[in-house]
Amino acid sequence: DQQVKQNSPSLSVQEGRISILNCDYTNSMFDYFLWYKKYPAEGPTFLISISSIKDKNEDGRFTVFLNKSAKHLSLHIVPSQPGDSAVYFCAAITSGNTGKLIFGQGTTLQVKP
Amino acid sequence: DVKVTQSSRYLVKRTGEKVFLECVQDMDHENMFWYRQDPGLGLRLIYFSYDVKMKEKGDIPEGYSVSREKKERFSLILESASTNQTSMYLCASSLWGSPLYGYTFGSGTRLTVV
Repeated sequence: DQQVKQNSPSLSVQEGRISILNCDYTNSMFDYFLWYKKYPAEGPTFLISISSIKDKNEDGRFTVFLNKSAKHLSLHIVPSQPGDSAVYFCAAITSGNTGKLIFGQGTTLQVKP
Repeated sequence: DVKVTQSSRYLVKRTGEKVFLECVQDMDHENMFWYRQDPGLGLRLIYFSYDVKMKEKGDIPEGYSVSREKKERFSLILESASTNQTSMYLCASSLWGSPLYGYTFGSGTRLTVV
């Protein structure tokens, strides 16, 4: 039972344009949603998060949007840069001390110069 | 900065061998986790621990065990390695009760079982 799904395995965009990565979830009990970025041969690094009580969180070029009614979130990167090329994982967690991060399958983003 | 260190970047082991993957974190985090990453499957949780000598099964614990004798160290053990355990293994740690900032991951161990 995949509680967090990233249905697009890959995405290719031109440098300077917007990248939109999508994520769907099934568990309405999730309290927080996070995006991680992973380069080859490195561990994932935290990028941005959003609480379930908000619908938008922005940090520089990165914005995450949450649509609770649709159980959908998206990560917008504007403008996209070649250094953004990586695998992006969506993750979700319930609050409380024993919450565990549940990850999606990942989307490989390629930003072309 | 929190640092999570995995002892090996690359390992090659033979089928049937007992394999130990070590992970150490230096920020006094209570929680530690072991994931494996496979193409198309994302990160799947193998085992986790919220305290010393405490462990809980994740989503795919079969064929694995763990040990947490000290707070800073969390070991993943493959009792008898098999080729379907060839994967990237990622260790992570987090503060107890701080979900918003997620986990800090190690750089991973690429294990190949031949």
